[in-house]
Amino acid sequence: EIVLTQSPATLSVSPGERATLSCRASQSVGSNLAWYQQKPGQAPRLLIYGASTGATGIPARFSGSGSGTEFTLTISSLQSEDFALYYCQQYNTWPPMYTFGQGTKLEIK
Amino acid sequence: EVLLMESGGGSAQPGGSLRLSCAASGFKFNSYEMNWVRQAPGKGLEWVAYISSTGNTIHYADSVKGRFTISRDNAKNSLYLQMNSLRAEDTGVYFCAREYARNPFGFWGQGTLVTVSS
Repeated sequence: EIVLTQSPATLSVSPGERATLSCRASQSVGSNLAWYQQKPGQAPRLLIYGASTGATGIPARFSGSGSGTEFTLTISSLQSEDFALYYCQQYNTWPPMYTFGQGTKLEIK
Repeated sequence: EVLLMESGGGSAQPGGSLRLSCAASGFKFNSYEMNWVRQAPGKGLEWVAYISSTGNTIHYADSVKGRFTISRDNAKNSLYLQMNSLRAEDTGVYFCAREYARNPFGFWGQGTLVTVSS
């Protein structure tokens, strides 16, 4: 099983500042990595797939980078609605053994 | 607009059964792979099961293999999860999810809560 480790567990950032979230895979997943945002009581929402491609309707302030085992989600200028939980997820394995990171909580500083 | 709506959640005793449904609309259901994902209270996300667009290929997480069965009815635009031999650790919100651009979880339903307790 591919283990995804997200850091930090909690990130405190002021509105308008940049946030950088990390995700490390225990073995290479190529570019088959996605990022999700989840708010309390809601389903996750796909932000980034293919490590760096924004999903439909996702604001340009969200960007993803990386390949292999090291990935980053960057939110360039935090808005109030961006404070939430973020998960990375890999889909490189077949048969599917999709795995998620444990999440990073982005909170208001 | 892609819509996924889960139903069938509720309470069950350990060893009991529940059947979840996911009604799909707004897209050509029989063209897409589907998955179930769950989230225990206050915890992270866990993939549960996968089914191909035709239903011919199915895979499960080890934690549910032999107890859960995923299926679909393309004529009814519906996805199902039959859950047997339920355990306390199966408690959580269950989401159905549709593939998008090779990513298995491009679109999500709102989830349905399953509680397993005596």
